Amino acid sequence: SYVLTQPPSVSVAPGQTARITCGGNNIGSKSVHWYQQKPGQAPVLVVYDDSDRPSGIPERFSGSNSGNTATLTISRVEAGDEADYYCQVWDSSSDYPIFGGGTKLTVL
Amino acid sequence: EVQLVESGGGLVQPGGSLRLSCAASGFTFSSYEMNWVRQAPGKGLEWVSYISSSGSTIYYADSVKGRFTISRDNAKNSLYLQMNSLRAEDTAVYYCASIPAAAGTYFDYWGQGTLVTVSS
Repeated sequence: SYVLTQPPSVSVAPGQTARITCGGNNIGSKSVHWYQQKPGQAPVLVVYDDSDRPSGIPERFSGSNSGNTATLTISRVEAGDEADYYCQVWDSSSDYPIFGGGTKLTVL
Repeated sequence: EVQLVESGGGLVQPGGSLRLSCAASGFTFSSYEMNWVRQAPGKGLEWVSYISSSGSTIYYADSVKGRFTISRDNAKNSLYLQMNSLRAEDTAVYYCASIPAAAGTYFDYWGQGTLVTVSS
């Protein structure tokens, strides 16, 4: 089955830019979605269809997808962005969704 | 306001059964595809099951196939997950999550989750 690979952790100082990657075979041909999950809370969709933002999500959150890597970029990182982030695609071969293993974003 | 509220979790012995429910409000439930996604303690997200808006199409993860049954009642705006032959590895927070109408492939709304603990 299709596998999505994320780095376990990413650290960034406040005000800097965080980039969280999601690797997969030819992932650029798929639509990638990103979720933010804070401790004890349900996941929240922050980017869908590679680069679209749901209403209410700050413009600081953006996404890109090409080749074998999709990237969630968080600009001007704030302490409140500290969370786990998961990428997700729909695997057309098995016809069900796949999640990456998650990346813990630490704001230094 | 969209709301998904899960219930039915709890402590159950290995081999036992449990039925989870998800009550939906604030959107046209009958137009949305629905899913169950779980998260074991300290672990990542794992998709469990999918049901189409009409209930005619259903999918399961291999890890639960033959043991879990997803269903919905559009008249009651409710989603269900019947879990049988439970194992320790089924211990997790179970979330219901919606997929928007018009061929979305992402989960736009999530419930707060209900904890299922399988232990003797």
